[in-house]
Amino acid sequence: SQQGEEDPQALSIQEGENATMNCSYKTSINNLQWYRQNSGRGLVHLILIRSNEREKHSGRLRVTLDTSKKSSSLLITASRAADTASYFCVNAGGTSYGKLTFGQGTILTVHP
Amino acid sequence: DAGVIQSPRHEVTEMGQEVTLRCKPISGHNSLFWYRQTMMRGLELLIYFNNNVPIDDSGMPEDRFSAKMPNASFSTLKIQPSEPRDSAVYFCASSLDTYEQYFGPGTRLTVT
Repeated sequence: SQQGEEDPQALSIQEGENATMNCSYKTSINNLQWYRQNSGRGLVHLILIRSNEREKHSGRLRVTLDTSKKSSSLLITASRAADTASYFCVNAGGTSYGKLTFGQGTILTVHP
Repeated sequence: DAGVIQSPRHEVTEMGQEVTLRCKPISGHNSLFWYRQTMMRGLELLIYFNNNVPIDDSGMPEDRFSAKMPNASFSTLKIQPSEPRDSAVYFCASSLDTYEQYFGPGTRLTVT
């Protein structure tokens, strides 16, 4: 399965703290993507990291990829209440162009 | 850019009625995806098109569901007849020759 599995299932932190979410996958990887979904809204693409990259930054987001362990992590620094959302990782394995299989995600709650 | 547009945003219908959901992808995008999201099953890919051609419809639950993409700027997902278990949020997403997908706001369908 190309589905990514996020860990933990739920994370609760205070505003200003950092949040780290992990993702494990089973099949070969072409790239791995992270998406965010605010309650009742559509998913928003956050960041894509390619198989030959080890780390990528975008604003307060930092994504790492360890292909030897088939895992990735998403770090959100200096969290804000607006970061409260579900976060999904998706392994775009490349076998089916464009087809993404989403897991259950990590529910992040940032308390003001 | 207006983003992916979906209509209606909310639909309430009675069991047995036909339901048609509509999607306008981002101009210039050549892939379009239909997803369904429920609490029990999470986010599921129903079908996706590339250059208006259905590529993979293995996620379509049964013959009551059908999807069309008559041109590059419009797609429909039809349920006939609808059943209460079809109640869900239906998302449309589009992409251009990349793995990043851009999601619409979704259509919340309630079948009573």
